[in-house]
Amino acid sequence: GEDVEQSLFLSVREGDSSVINCTYTDSSSTYLYWYKQEPGAGLQLLTYIFSNMDMKQDQRLTVLLNKKDKHLSLRIADTQTGDSAIYFCAFSGGNYGGATNKLIFGTGTLLAVQP
Amino acid sequence: DTGVSQNPRHKITKRGQNVTFRCDPISEHNRLYWYRQTLGQGPEFLTYFQNEAQLEKSRLLSDRFSAERPKGSFSTLEIQRTEQGDSAMYLCASSLDRVGTEAFFGQGTRLTVV
Repeated sequence: GEDVEQSLFLSVREGDSSVINCTYTDSSSTYLYWYKQEPGAGLQLLTYIFSNMDMKQDQRLTVLLNKKDKHLSLRIADTQTGDSAIYFCAFSGGNYGGATNKLIFGTGTLLAVQP
Repeated sequence: DTGVSQNPRHKITKRGQNVTFRCDPISEHNRLYWYRQTLGQGPEFLTYFQNEAQLEKSRLLSDRFSAERPKGSFSTLEIQRTEQGDSAMYLCASSLDRVGTEAFFGQGTRLTVV
């Protein structure tokens, strides 16, 4: 099946930029997402990118997609303490998501923002 | 609409007991998904409904698991003869019937089997 890896933990200071990385094996996925999960809350979609794009910017968020290296990243500018959460990359479409839109999730990265 | 609602939020049960969870999706969403999330992992797909039809089931969904969506609205997930390995967060999501459309997640039901 699809193998999606993320680093477990990232610690940054408030005001710095955070970069969360994700590597994957299936290059046929159509949609690539970033979700945020806070304690006691459901998964929240932050942003997404189509597979035919290299970059997408959405306010403080920048998504970069390197299809050759099968690498997806999420950059958060001016990181705030409220950004502390677990971040998941996720994929749909392609060989595993297919037409059902089911999501294949990464292992998650815990972002800790120090004041 | 208040979003995807799941009940109960927490469930503690003894090994061997049956449990049932409920998911109420966003009203106009005809797709409904169940995922399972264990500690330190991302959610894993369990099953998917298009209206009342269950169209796909993961290999993770053993014979002890059954999901229904009888009228194409709310869904239930039942686990029979629970095992300690079933302890996890069970997440429900719903979406419209369009490729790439956003899936909205509920807050989940945390199951603890003792």
